[in-house]
This record gives sequence, structure tokens and C-alpha cells, in this order.
Amino acid sequence: AQSVAQPEDQVNVAEGNPLTVKCTYSVSGNPYLFWYVQYPNRGLQFLLKYITGDNLVKGSYGFEAEFNKSQTSFHLKKPSALVSDSALYFCAVRGSGGYNKLIFGAGTRLAVHP
Amino acid sequence: GAVVSQHPSWVICKSGTSVKIECRSLDFQATTMFWYRQFPKQSLMLMATSNEGSKATYEQGVEKDKFLINHASLTLSTLTVTSAHPEDSSFYICSLPPGTSGTDTQYFGPGTRLTVL
Repeated sequence: AQSVAQPEDQVNVAEGNPLTVKCTYSVSGNPYLFWYVQYPNRGLQFLLKYITGDNLVKGSYGFEAEFNKSQTSFHLKKPSALVSDSALYFCAVRGSGGYNKLIFGAGTRLAVHP
Repeated sequence: GAVVSQHPSWVICKSGTSVKIECRSLDFQATTMFWYRQFPKQSLMLMATSNEGSKATYEQGVEKDKFLINHASLTLSTLTVTSAHPEDSSFYICSLPPGTSGTDTQYFGPGTRLTVL
């Protein structure tokens, strides 16, 4: 069965410091991996995805994520955090072989302090 | 710009009344639409998949008589919460399935916050 784990409920980081939001996955076959961000009372906004190719994926708002097949991880990163990055972040996975539904992680709340 | 819109963005209703939430695909024709529910500080739970011209497909444990879904056209899907109760208070989000936009990305609406008094 497909699953996604986000081991941290919350991540706290000071503005200007690098941030990492962790995600590990379990899926049969090649995974399609996604990161979404959700601001309060808003829907999910797409950040980036990994389908194939370069393991380092660059996305919106300066975010990037690294696909690591051996560790089955897809951690979200940003070199320098902004207070405005504070939000809820969801990792999601979809198995290969067609347009299947996304499976979401529990979410990680990122708090960036001035 | 937005790919999916929802209306209303928030609604407060009395217990026992019904509430309709509209989801529109703005740029693409959608034969299916996903409906999710999100409780505070929790992840999204897929409730059902609406299908244009046919019955919706409900996930296990979701009451189809409580959550009526209609996919009236290729751009409009609606979710009606019937005889709403306080425990139905939640954030409801619709989503355009991957492939609809010609890409692998699944686009989400802005969500509708329902509060049942």
C-alpha cells in the first residue's frame, strides 16, 4: 500500500536560516512525489513535483526538494527561510501507471520566527 | 491564475439545514473531480470522486446520503451536506484530478469552511 510519512508535526526556524521539512514514502513502482503548501483557510497550493530525471527538483518561492531513492525520502528545503513561509506543508505520493489519487502525509507546520 | 474555484468560501448554518458547495474548473473540462475534507490541524481525507453524467464514487466510510455529490457539467461539481450537524463542521476542498490540465499536477480549490451551529 502507498503511504507517506511526515515525522515532524512542527518545524521551527529563524528567518534567514535554512529549513528542511522531512518526508518519506512507501510505494510500489516508481513514485510520483509532490509538495503542497496551505496557508490558513486556503486550499493547497502546488510547490513542486518529482516524476523522473534530476533528483533535485526546484519549485515555487525558492523551495526545492531532493529525491533519494535509497532512503525513500523527498525532503523539502529552502536555503533561507522567510517569515512568510510560515504555513502547513503536505507531502504527497502517487503511484506510477496512470492518474491515481494522491496520498497525503499528515502535514508539517512550519513556523519561521523573525 | 486560479485553476479551480469554490463558492462559498465560508458558510455558517444552523443544525438540520442543508448546504451546497460549488466547485468550478475554470480552464479545463473536468469529467471527474475529487472532494476532500480536512479537520483542523489534520491532513486531507478523500471523500468522493464526482463523475460527470454518472454517480459519484464514495470512499469507504463516507455517507453518500449525507454528502450528496452532483457533477452537472464539465466545469461544475457540487457537494451538498444534508441535514448538517456540528460534527460536519470542517474545511471542504475540491480538486481537479491529475491529467485534466494536461499535466501530472493535481490542482486544488481554495476550500470552503463550513461551520454548523
